[in-house]
Amino acid sequence: EDQVTQSPEALRLQEGESSSLNCSYTVSGLRGLFWYRQDPGKGPEFLFTLYSAGEEKEKERLKATLTKKESFLHITAPKPEDSATYLCAVLDSTETSGSRLTFGEGTQLTVNP
Amino acid sequence: ETGVTQSPTHLIKTRGQQVTLRCSSQSGHNTVSWYQQALGQGPQFIFQYYREEENGRGNFPPRFSGLQFPNYSSELNVNALELDDSALYLCASSLSRGFYGYTFGSGTRLTVV
Repeated sequence: EDQVTQSPEALRLQEGESSSLNCSYTVSGLRGLFWYRQDPGKGPEFLFTLYSAGEEKEKERLKATLTKKESFLHITAPKPEDSATYLCAVLDSTETSGSRLTFGEGTQLTVNP
Repeated sequence: ETGVTQSPTHLIKTRGQQVTLRCSSQSGHNTVSWYQQALGQGPQFIFQYYREEENGRGNFPPRFSGLQFPNYSSELNVNALELDDSALYLCASSLSRGFYGYTFGSGTRLTVV
């Protein structure tokens, strides 16, 4: 059974203070690792998909990286509008049972001005 | 291009009642998945529908059931509601059973009293 663990549970930063969020995973075969952003009372908003170790993707102040056991979401010079819960999920799929995402519990990020 | 829309946005039901939640998938997407997200936790996979058939199910009892219609919209039905069913219910649409990622709706907040 796939398992995803995110750390820390909560992170408070000052505006401009860079940091990283961690997502460690245990899967039988990684078919994709997803990062989502979720604002309170809203659905997850897609950020990145990573498929193989060594892969990196960037979007504005965010950069996601992937190793064989974990993924990091690096936030450079964050702004208050980056405050949200960041969710990591791994994709499990088979021909007979379709596909599903297994999520971690999320990291709640607060960026103070 | 329209995104995923869910209705209603909020709902209050009494324990023992039945509820139906609705989802319209993103244009061009033929697969719909449903997730349950309790407060402070990551989303949990309920089931997936592909071409109007259930195509994978998570660890949820049979009182959680669903339908997918020819236009790829979907319903989630929950019978005999329990207090623990209170959660945000998320619908996600995708192409080809989700192998390339998901688009989530904003969710339906269900409160069981």
